Amino acid sequence: AQSVAQPEDQVNVAEGNPLTVKCTYSVSGNPYLFWYVQYPNRGLQFLLKYITGDNLVKGSYGFEAEFNKSQTSFHLKKPSALVSDSALYFCAVRDPNQGGKLIFGQGTELSVKP
Amino acid sequence: NAGVTQTPKFQVLKTGQSMTLQCAQDMNHEYMSWYRQDPGMGLRLIHYSVGAGITDQGEVPNGYNVSRSTTEDFPLRLLSAAPSQTSVYFCASSVGAGGFSYNEQFFGPGTRLTVL
Repeated sequence: AQSVAQPEDQVNVAEGNPLTVKCTYSVSGNPYLFWYVQYPNRGLQFLLKYITGDNLVKGSYGFEAEFNKSQTSFHLKKPSALVSDSALYFCAVRDPNQGGKLIFGQGTELSVKP
Repeated sequence: NAGVTQTPKFQVLKTGQSMTLQCAQDMNHEYMSWYRQDPGMGLRLIHYSVGAGITDQGEVPNGYNVSRSTTEDFPLRLLSAAPSQTSVYFCASSVGAGGFSYNEQFFGPGTRLTVL
């Protein structure tokens, strides 16, 4: 069965520093991987996705993520964090061999302090 | 485009009551789904639909029913509300259907449900 794990409930960084939010996955085939962000009292917004090709994918708001097949990871990164990046971040995986289901991790709360 | 809309935004029910959470999208998306969000558990899939007339169960379907009579609408019915169904419910839609769809989902603003 497909699954995704976000090992950190919370990540704290100072504004201007690089940030990383970790995600690992487990699927039987080649995964489709996604990152979403949720601001307080809002729905989820799509940030970026990996389907195939270049392992480094770039998304909205300056975020990027690196797909690492050997480590089954898809960590979200940003070179310089902003206070406005503070939000809840979700990694999600879709296994093409498991129908149309999108499975989410438990979420990581990112806090960026001035 | 209004995108994905959900009503109501907030709802308080008593145990045993029934209700329907409404979801509509105006993007002509084939795929629609319902999730519940609980602290520390992320989003869990309740039911999903790959097109009008076709629905299937997700991870946590018990206590919920869905139907998809049109492409636009995908209501979620709570048959007999229980305190364990207190949660925030999100509806989402995307282009394409089936396991080979790699399109991102668009989410509604959510419905916060409390069952007393």
